[in-house]
Order: sequence, then structure tokens, then C-alpha cells
Amino acid sequence: DTGVSQDPRHKITKRGQNVTFRCDPISEHNRLYWYRQTLGQGPEFLTYFQNEAQLEKSRLLSDRFSAERPKGSFSTLEIQRTEQGDSAMYLCASSYGTGDGYTFGSGTRLTVV
Amino acid sequence: GQNIDQPTEMTATEGAIVQINCTYQTSGFNGLFWYQQHAGEAPTFLSYNVLDGLEEKGRFSSFLSRSKGYSYLLLKELQMKDSASYLCAVRVAAGNKLTFGGGTRVLVKP
Repeated sequence: DTGVSQDPRHKITKRGQNVTFRCDPISEHNRLYWYRQTLGQGPEFLTYFQNEAQLEKSRLLSDRFSAERPKGSFSTLEIQRTEQGDSAMYLCASSYGTGDGYTFGSGTRLTVV
Repeated sequence: GQNIDQPTEMTATEGAIVQINCTYQTSGFNGLFWYQQHAGEAPTFLSYNVLDGLEEKGRFSSFLSRSKGYSYLLLKELQMKDSASYLCAVRVAAGNKLTFGGGTRVLVKP
């Protein structure tokens, strides 16, 4: 297993466009998390899945953001009508059960121009 | 919600020791994690404490006092490659969600 993979690594988009990111977790990990991180800050929780079920979504997350994990394996995070404030690193992480820490992917850096 | 505080930045000399403090206020505490993050890279797991006391792992140690809502990460025999941000994160009993502090940027000087 090569760890948690995220695609793309970088994305530049114009304001108002939609973007979609993909995360492939470690295969035996049943929990998958999305975080957002801006420069000089810690990761901010967005949402998480156990298998295919989305168990929690941050109240800070606008309804322009949606995430799916249709088969309990990979996940996608979509941002509709992007705004400049959405520019950040989007990190995906996975874990097995509740006893372990996370393994993070390398992230997708989004720049909205 | 959780409130997690750690210093923004620390500077230390190669070969020295640095202690990064983290204080937290949360309900349903179920563990504290430390991660290292080099610039432009993903966070990597360093240590985990759920019971009071000291956990040692090579040059890195982490301490937890649940009654005080306090943890520290101790980095010994500092090396230049230890220059990075160090993230304190708290897990609550419901689920496995981690809430992160803002991170402490450590700069190791020769």
C-alpha cells in the first residue's frame, strides 16, 4: 500500500468555477477525513466518513461544499462556485477504527484567482 | 467545542532541547496527538497520549496531564531537519475526529 493518495496536487481555478478533488485512502482503513489548512494555521475539520456513511460535517462548511464516498473506498470533495477564500490546502486522512491516529495524504493545494 | 492553544513560534539551537506546550479545553477527552509538518508537506504522526504521564519515543517525548488540560512535546538533541511545525490535536470520545491547534513553528539554528 502506498499510503493516502490525493489528486490533483495543485489546482488553479477561476472564481465561480466548480472543482473536485479525489482521495484514495489506505485500503484497509474504514474512516476517511477531509481537512482544510491555510498558511500558518492548523488543519480545520471539514467532514468524515465511516465506510460510505458521512458521519459528521463541520458547521463552518457552507453548502457549496459536498463530499462523497460512494463505495466506502475513495472519496471526492467538490466545491461549487469557488471563492477566493476557498484557496487553501485540502488534506485527506484515513484511519482504521477509533484506536489509531491518522495517516494524511500530501494534500491538494487550491488557488482561486 | 474544543479550544487548543500552543505557541506560534519557537527558536532553538542544534543539539539543544525544546519543549512545546499545548493546553486544551474540551469535553469527552479521548486522547492527544502530536504531528510534525514540514513546509508544503502532509502532517506525520509523532506521538499519542491518552493516560497521564510521559511517552518516550527516541529523541521525542510527549507528556499529558488530563486534570490540567496540558501536554508538551519534548524534542531532544535537536537536528536541523527538526525545523518544522508541530501540531497538537485532541480527540473526543464520540468518533475519531481530531481537532488541531494552530501549530508551533520550530526553527533550529546551527
